[in-house]
Parts: sequence; C-alpha cells; structure tokens
Amino acid sequence: DTAVSQTPKYLVTQMGNDKSIKCEQNLGHDTMYWYKQDSKKFLKIMFSYNNKELIINETVPNRFSPKSPDKAHLNLHINSLELGDSAVYFCASSHAGGTGDFGPGTRLTVT
Amino acid sequence: AQTVTQSQPEMSVQEAETVTLSCTYDTSESNYYLFWYKQPPSRQMILVIRQEAYKQQNATENRFSVNFQKAAKSFSLKISDSQLGDTAMYFCAFMMLSGAGSYQLTFGKGTKLSVIP
Repeated sequence: DTAVSQTPKYLVTQMGNDKSIKCEQNLGHDTMYWYKQDSKKFLKIMFSYNNKELIINETVPNRFSPKSPDKAHLNLHINSLELGDSAVYFCASSHAGGTGDFGPGTRLTVT
Repeated sequence: AQTVTQSQPEMSVQEAETVTLSCTYDTSESNYYLFWYKQPPSRQMILVIRQEAYKQQNATENRFSVNFQKAAKSFSLKISDSQLGDTAMYFCAFMMLSGAGSYQLTFGKGTKLSVIP
C-alpha cells in the first residue's frame, strides 16, 4: 500500500506545452506539499496546502499552480513549460509536527 | 527565514567504519523538528531519523544516531558500522509550523556519502 503516490514517474515534453503531475496520499494527512529538486540535488519547497490555506513560495513562477480536488490529492499543473523546469518534482504530506512522507518523485524533462 | 547548512558536499567511509555528517541551522524559533533524510540512487526520499527540539536526549535508530546541540544549532548524523547500502545523498532538514497549520521542510544542500568496500 503506497502512502504517497505520484503519476507519472517520468515525463518528457516539449517547450511550451502544458502538463500535470498527480499526487495522492492515503495517510489521512492534513497538509500536502510540492518540492522541486534541481540538477544539483537541491530540494526546495514550492507549495504547501491544507484545507485552509495555500502557501506559495514567492520564487515559484505563476505558470505553476497546485490544484486540490480533495484532502487526499494535490496535483501540480504547469503551463508553458520551459527548459529550466526540468527537474524532479516530489509530492509530500504530513500531519501536524509529523515527518514529511514523500512520493517517489516525477522526473520532468523539457526538450 | 530558516536556513540549513551542510558543509560537506561529499564524504567517503570504509565499510564497517563510522562516519559523521555535519549540519547546522539558523532559526529564532524554540519549537521545531529536525530530520535526516537519505536519498539513494532510486531517488526515493527515506526518513532516517527525527529529533524534536524540546527533547534533550539524542535520537537513535539502530546504526544511526544524532548529536543535537540546540544552543550551537548543530545536528550531526553518525552512522556506525557503515554498509554498502548506506551509499546515498543525505539531507538535513528543518521543520516548523508555517502558517495555517502547515509544516514545511527546509533542506540543506546535501552530503553525498560513498561507502567503500
């Protein structure tokens, strides 16, 4: 039983396209997150979201938008993809003060 | 803003030996959590160990232990009896409440550990 799942695990697309990455957690956590890991392995928070508030990292371009249909899902939509968006994107979830449980990551390659 | 610093980009250790990975952080908060995550080549983020700032006792998980020095804002990870499967990137991370009940992780830049047979 996968705790945090992401689809797809690999995504190759061309510049200018719009794509989505889906995330689901079955842990009953209140908060979900998206992290970006760049080519130098640096992990940075993009968004955190619970049923009360969306917190956006101010450095994230507005081409990126999280969408949460319900508490167990937080999808990431990316418009007008650019070469610099190539990275590994991790979804995670947590409860108050708990550990961050991570999904397997989605490797996005923009050509 | 919180920052996490890992000053050792790469380290190596002989199999069965002990290695210590360093981590320092900067915060004005008194209540927070600290973690070490392992990322093997499979890229899965795996929690290694967790420490609550209000606990003075250092956390231990089998061969992994931490040296938590709150006043010095230091949180090092010691791996005893290193095994080949310990080869991975290790990330130190800081967590605290960040608005509306949200807890987000701030990561260091990672230490690449290689265990040599």
